[in-house]
Order: sequence, then structure tokens, then C-alpha cells
Amino acid sequence: GAGVSQSPRYKVAKRGQDVALRCDPISGHVSLFWYQQALGQGPEFLTYFQNEAQLDKSGLPSDRFFAERPEGSVSTLKIQRTQQEDSAVYLCASSLELADLRVDIQYFGAGTRLSVL
Amino acid sequence: AQSVTQPDIHITVSEGASLELRCNYSYGATPYLFWYVQSPGQGLQLLLKYFSGDTLVQGIKGFEAEFKRSQSSFNLRKPSVHWSDAAEYFCAVRLASYDKVIFGPGTSLSVIP
Repeated sequence: GAGVSQSPRYKVAKRGQDVALRCDPISGHVSLFWYQQALGQGPEFLTYFQNEAQLDKSGLPSDRFFAERPEGSVSTLKIQRTQQEDSAVYLCASSLELADLRVDIQYFGAGTRLSVL
Repeated sequence: AQSVTQPDIHITVSEGASLELRCNYSYGATPYLFWYVQSPGQGLQLLLKYFSGDTLVQGIKGFEAEFKRSQSSFNLRKPSVHWSDAAEYFCAVRLASYDKVIFGPGTSLSVIP
């Protein structure tokens, strides 16, 4: 597709359930970022991949959060034993990762809205 | 502490009126600066960005922003607001290439006829 695609768009989970959120970046994009956006707040960084390598996972809030990008394209964010505080919109972004930021842009998907009951 | 602040949580303007959304940052060096817009149910769209040079940058949809180093500000402006501009606006920074985007808390814009 032409843009970053995320699925599902909406996910309702019972507390304690495991969930998996998928991100299809723009073809050929090297960098992939995951962000968490709580209601009424700005997105906050979770983790970053360069191809298949996870170079920064400093934003993951707990060890219940796990992300992978095994073939350097599609990425999955997994949340184990979901809690109510995990309810948020999870955004994925991708970019070519050019050294010159004047031309490199992060493109965002529409996000997955996770509601934990 | 290093941060991006947007002092106005919510702004309401009349259609056709001018708009200014405020943004301040607190970092040791001037970061790369961005404004994004997010409409309900939509992803974030880049409006404009500043890296260096001319302090007045033009973006899409008739928006512009002015970088003021002395005030550590990067305010977004539009001369005449349209109803379709109603959305959430985020100021953001990147500290370096290959780095994450750090977002401010956002300003919600409502447009009344």
C-alpha cells in the first residue's frame, strides 16, 4: 500500500489477555518506530527498529511489552497480560532513515486503539 | 528537564480568523522542530519542519511557523482558519538523525462558524 498500515484498527481485550498489534511499513523503509498515545496526550516513544535490529527499546513501559520485526519489514507489538493502563492508541511510523532530516520524514499509520476492560 | 510544552490545551477560533498555536522547547541545543496534525481516527500528518536557515517556514494547508531561538519557541500560524482545520496539533522535536520524535501534549483546535 501507499502508506503505513496498522491492524486491527480497534482491539478490545479483557484484563490479563495477550494482544498482538501489527504494523506494515511503507515498502523499503528502513526505520520503524512504535509510539503509545494515551487519551488526551501526545504520542510517547516505545521502541525503534533499523531493519530487523531493535536498536532502542527504552520506551517500553514494562517487560510485558515486546516488539519484533524479524524480516525487517512487518512489525508486531505484543502486550502480555494486558492491564487497564495499557489502554491507548498504538501508533507505528516508518521512514527511509536518511542522514539528512531535511528530506527524511516519519510517516505514521492511523493506529490501533486498544481498550482493556 | 528536557521537554516540549504547548501551553494551550484547547483553543476555539471562528472560521476565517487567524490562528497561532504556541510551542516551547527546553533542550541544550536547537533540536529539529516539527508540527503535526491529527484528525479524529487519522494518523499524524506532518505540517512543516525546521532544521536551520530561514526562521519562517512554510508548510502544507496554508500553515507557517516561526522559529525564535531567543524564546526557544516554534509557534504555528495560519492567517485564515477553515472549518476543516479542527483537529489536534502537536509540536515535536528530534534531537538527531535516526532518533525518535518527542511530542508535546497537543493543542485541540475547535473552529466555530
